[in-house]
Amino acid sequence: AQSVSQHNHHVILSEAASLELGCNYSYGGTVNLFWYVQYPGQHLQLLLKYFSGDPLVKGIKGFEAEFIKSKFSFNLRKPSVQWSDTAEYFCAVAGDAGNNRKLIWGLGTSLAVNP
Amino acid sequence: GAGVSQSPSNKVTEKGKDVELRCDPISGHTALYWYRQSLGQGLEFLIYFQGNSAPDKSGLPSDRFSAERTGGSVSTLTIQRTQQEDSAVYLCASSLTSIHEQYFGPGTRLTVT
Repeated sequence: AQSVSQHNHHVILSEAASLELGCNYSYGGTVNLFWYVQYPGQHLQLLLKYFSGDPLVKGIKGFEAEFIKSKFSFNLRKPSVQWSDTAEYFCAVAGDAGNNRKLIWGLGTSLAVNP
Repeated sequence: GAGVSQSPSNKVTEKGKDVELRCDPISGHTALYWYRQSLGQGLEFLIYFQGNSAPDKSGLPSDRFSAERTGGSVSTLTIQRTQQEDSAVYLCASSLTSIHEQYFGPGTRLTVT
């Protein structure tokens, strides 16, 4: 069955600390991978995506993620977090074939950054 | 331009009543998705529209749930005879075509009492 697993449910960091959020997926076929972020009181918005090509992708606000096919992983990283990064982070996967690109989601990671 | 909008933003209903949730996608977006976000379950896919047709309804939890899309634009999700377990945030997303990224609306928070 298709699934996405996020390793950390709650993360608390101090400003300037480095961040890595784990994401592993189970999917039979070529995938597109996403990280979405939901800031308090706001919509889900796309942080970054991987469709093909360079497995190291860069997104908004200094975030990056690396697709490691052999490990079925797509971990999110940021070298130095800020208080404004406090949010809920969701990893998601979609199949690469056909028109239906429904997203299969991880349960999310709640990140709190202390000033 | 305008993003995806959803109405109402909040809906409180009594168990057994029917509710309709509305989604206005970004203009020109052909693909539309409904998801549900509930405590403990995370985000779950409900239904996918390509134009006005719904080739994938596999995520609808029961036959009490239905959805339609008209004019390749507005979509409504209808829940009949609501139950307490239907309480969740219902999210709508649209994309330019199915292979593009999805843009999300603010959601409708449904509470069934």
